[in-house]
Amino acid sequence: SQQGEEDPQALSIQEGENATMNCSYKTSINNLQWYRQNSGRGLVHLILIRSNEREKHSGRLRVTLDTSKKSSSLLITASRAADTASYFCATEGSGNTGKLIFGQGTTLQVKP
Amino acid sequence: NAGVTQTPKFQVLKTGQSMTLQCAQDMNHEYMSWYRQDPGMGLRLIHYSVGAGITDQGEVPNGYNVSRSTTEDFPLRLLSAAPSQTSVYFCASGRQAREKLFFGSGTQLSVL
Repeated sequence: SQQGEEDPQALSIQEGENATMNCSYKTSINNLQWYRQNSGRGLVHLILIRSNEREKHSGRLRVTLDTSKKSSSLLITASRAADTASYFCATEGSGNTGKLIFGQGTTLQVKP
Repeated sequence: NAGVTQTPKFQVLKTGQSMTLQCAQDMNHEYMSWYRQDPGMGLRLIHYSVGAGITDQGEVPNGYNVSRSTTEDFPLRLLSAAPSQTSVYFCASGRQAREKLFFGSGTQLSVL
């Protein structure tokens, strides 16, 4: 079973708008990661937030983590057409399992 | 540095054939893993390795074998290909599963 589940599955916005994607997970985690995948390409790491952190920023990306709700959100501000991609959250359960499990992803389309 | 290199990029097999997908990394990463990606399913972990000589099963290991004789290489073997193994396969490496992973560009496999 998937550890992380993203919501929504698909999102379409206009350039300049903000895009918010959510991720829920089932078990305790060490940290949560977000990755991006352009069509037909491998995944690229975006940001990692540790279980003792509540918010993290990287450029136009803002990630929040609520361990009490077992959820995370990824906010992309002032979106650009180049942000069109699929976005995945990934978690490893606590206890150093070695298994990094990905959610099903959110497909983001940014219209110029 | 080349990063994570996967070969081949495309492969067509007949049911029952065997083959090996190659993965090599030049970043001296201890952790390596194989995922398969199917439409609507996100990425599913097949096998992973936390170091040379150590491998373990992921979420969907059946029909696949791995070995890790060196730090650099982590080949994935399909013993007797089945149409259900038609997928895009990604190899990834990192210092640990809980840290940033680097992905290869993928192998698109079709089993007829």
